[in-house]
Amino acid sequence: DAKTTQPTSMDCAEGRAANLPCNHSTISGNEYVYWYRQIHSQGPQYIIHGLKNNETNEMASLIITEDRKSSTLILPHATLRDTAVYYCIRSGSARQLTFGSGTQLTVLP
Amino acid sequence: EPEVTQTPSHQVTQMGQEVILRCVPISNHLYFYWYRQILGQKVEFLVSFYNNEISEKSEIFDDQFSVERPDGSNFTLKIRSTKLEDSAMYFCASSEGFYSQETQYFGPGTRLLVL
Repeated sequence: DAKTTQPTSMDCAEGRAANLPCNHSTISGNEYVYWYRQIHSQGPQYIIHGLKNNETNEMASLIITEDRKSSTLILPHATLRDTAVYYCIRSGSARQLTFGSGTQLTVLP
Repeated sequence: EPEVTQTPSHQVTQMGQEVILRCVPISNHLYFYWYRQILGQKVEFLVSFYNNEISEKSEIFDDQFSVERPDGSNFTLKIRSTKLEDSAMYFCASSEGFYSQETQYFGPGTRLLVL
């Protein structure tokens, strides 16, 4: 039970922003929201994480709703290399990440 | 940028043989993990390790599996007697700390094929 809900797949045009939603309506107060991605069968790549506030790094932005029940990962200018499966994961403990099926993002030329 | 490395990248073995998968975690990290991903399925947690002890393990991590930190840099996963269903990608990860805000960084994986 991944405890997050994500769309199975999304498309995005190259150069446009990709907005990937995640629902985590039962998240508890001490759980962080983590985003990873996996390109083909490579190792999951860390993207960003947050608790309450919006976060931004060189890869992406993370917008968390005020009630923390959902979040959106934003890739501001998607490229073909961003085609991957994106996982939204709740992390109450860093010891055991529970991966769901994620969202297959396809960036189209 | 520091990264987790894993060797070998591919391993083919016969059913019943022992295999050892090796990982070099990021140098200042203290917590280590193994995950696996059977082809077409989700990434699954196997075990976490700290201070030379297993911290948590999943029900997948049965007596056929063991982990070890044989020296100051390597972290290994041993499968004693491989089965066909052990064929999977095996990912090592490490984190600096053990709390929910401590990010786990993954290696590129070892593809294990059991014939």
